[in-house]
Order: sequence, then structure tokens, then C-alpha cells
Amino acid sequence: KAGVTQTPRYLIKTRGQQVTLSCSPISGHRSVSWYQQTPGQGLQFLFEYFSETQRNKGNFPGRFSGRQFSNSRSEMNVSTLELGDSALYLCASSLALAGPQETQYFGPGTRLLVL
Amino acid sequence: AQTVTQSQPEMSVQEAETVTLSCTYDTSESDYYLFWYKQPPSRQMILVIRQEAYKQQNATENRFSVNFQKAAKSFSLKISDSQLGDAAMYFCAYPGGNTPLVFGKGTRLSVIA
Repeated sequence: KAGVTQTPRYLIKTRGQQVTLSCSPISGHRSVSWYQQTPGQGLQFLFEYFSETQRNKGNFPGRFSGRQFSNSRSEMNVSTLELGDSALYLCASSLALAGPQETQYFGPGTRLLVL
Repeated sequence: AQTVTQSQPEMSVQEAETVTLSCTYDTSESDYYLFWYKQPPSRQMILVIRQEAYKQQNATENRFSVNFQKAAKSFSLKISDSQLGDAAMYFCAYPGGNTPLVFGKGTRLSVIA
């Protein structure tokens, strides 16, 4: 089975622009979660989508949004980019909605640099 | 707040030797999974090993094994016969209620030839 894929792998944007990142889960997985990784804050949960609905959300401003399509592929969007949004964005998929006995598998990440 | 603590920011090990990475966590769940993920310089987060908390037997995956102490909420990773390719950041993680995974801050492992 193919793993989780993310596109693009690298992205350079300027402040004020918006960006859209894409994630395709492992075939058969219905849940997609997004994480932001920075040297200062470590790994932080952004949101989770299951059956095209946002089920859980981390503590991020409304500039961060996402959606999931009927084929379970997910996109996340960041509007009005700030320098602090520079990070590695990781997508993870799991068979079912995240819970105590669910395993997440990660994609290679998208590295976003905001200038 | 649910937390994961990795008390060793950096560790090093000689090639072919054994190293143990520590992790403690805090959860109110009774049945849950615990995970160790590896993040090499490529930045891909790779699942190394998973422990099911309701199982008393420690999980093993080839050279990787865990020492799981449920009462103490301790979950350490042992890497035997260390190889150069084991050099990476290692993250301990567990499902944290409304957060699919809560991660520790990581341990950077260096392998010395």
C-alpha cells in the first residue's frame, strides 16, 4: 500500500499571502490529522478531519483552516501568512477517528518558509 | 493537561551498542496505545513501535523493544545493536483525548561509528 503523500514538499511564500497544502491518506484510511512542527513549539496538533467533517481542533487562529473531500484527501489552508507560520506541516492518517486505540501514519511533510 | 516528558534532549551511542530512551506520560485512559516515532534528517515521521497498554507483554520490533510500566506511566525505548541509520530524533507519543497524538519534545540520538 502506498503511504501518506503530501504536496508540495517545499514552499516559499511572502507575508500576507495564503497557501494551500494537500494530503492524500493511505488507501482505506478515513481520518486525516494535521500537525505543525517548529523548533520552538515542537509538534502541535492543528485539526482532524473524518468523513469530511472537522472533528477536533487545536489551539490555532482562524487563519488556519482545512477541509476533507469524499475520497478522504485533505487540504489545509493558511491565510495572511506570518513569519511565524514557517514550519514543517505534517499530515497523518488513520483508519478511523483518532482515539486511544488508533494508530496514525505520517506523510513526509511540507516545509513552508515565509519571507 | 495531558503531557509527555522525554527527559533526555540528546543521547549518543556507539555503533553496535544498546541505548535506552526514556518517556513518561500522563493519561486518565485505561486502554490506550503508546508510540515511539523516529524522525530522521529527511523529516519523515516513522512509526517505530506501538505498545497496547492493556497488554502486559512489552512490544518488540526487531532491534527495538519497550519497557512499559503502566502503574508508573513509563514507556522507554531500547535500541539494541545500534546502527548508523538509527541516528534521528525520537518522539514518544500517546492519544490525548481531543488531540490524536500528544508528543514529547523528542530525544536526539547520535550514533558514533
